[in-house]
Amino acid sequence: DTGVSQNPRHKITKRGQNVTFRCDPISEHNRLYWYRQTLGQGPEFLTYFQNEAQLEKSRLLSDRFSAERPKGSFSTLEIQRTEQGDSAMYLCASSLKSGRANGYTFGSGTRLTVV
Amino acid sequence: GDSVTQMEGPVTLSEEAFLTINCTYTATGYPSLFWYVQYPGEGLQLLLKATKADDKGSNKGFEATYRKETTSFHLEKGSVQVSDSAVYFCALRDAGGTSYGKLTFGQGTILTVHP
Repeated sequence: DTGVSQNPRHKITKRGQNVTFRCDPISEHNRLYWYRQTLGQGPEFLTYFQNEAQLEKSRLLSDRFSAERPKGSFSTLEIQRTEQGDSAMYLCASSLKSGRANGYTFGSGTRLTVV
Repeated sequence: GDSVTQMEGPVTLSEEAFLTINCTYTATGYPSLFWYVQYPGEGLQLLLKATKADDKGSNKGFEATYRKETTSFHLEKGSVQVSDSAVYFCALRDAGGTSYGKLTFGQGTILTVHP
């Protein structure tokens, strides 16, 4: 297990289409986070899973967004009826639930372009 | 709420110059502080971290000291290299309340080092 894997790396979609991204965290990490990063900005928190439970969602996560982590392993992030404003890099990160000092391990991200 | 403010960028330096990137934060409780680096087309990599006041994080010649009295975590390097060209993000992780360990990021500082 060499890190957090995200697929696809790039996605171009037409406005109004649905897209789904996948994140495979480090296997022993029970915490999983999704972030969104727009050009020139730092990542912004979207949602958090502890094992299979989605425990927190940002107000940035509109009704068109849904995330799952069905078996506490991989996670998917779906965006329905995409809009041009959804164009961004979507980052997944995982960590262990132990101690304050743990940083995350981030994936390389999925870059979404809505045309 | 929690917030992180980084110095305005971009920063352009010549090789072997001294680097400082300022970072200040606002948080409830006692956060852990991080610097992440993002190379073009890649995800975020943890550069260094500090978990309590007066701790110094260091890695690859970079250093930052957790200053509670000034709520700062400035990044420094004595002699930068061309390979240090990247975007640098300061972040905090608040251990208190229901933050679930999510990270709050600054807006990032672009560093370009010329030969």
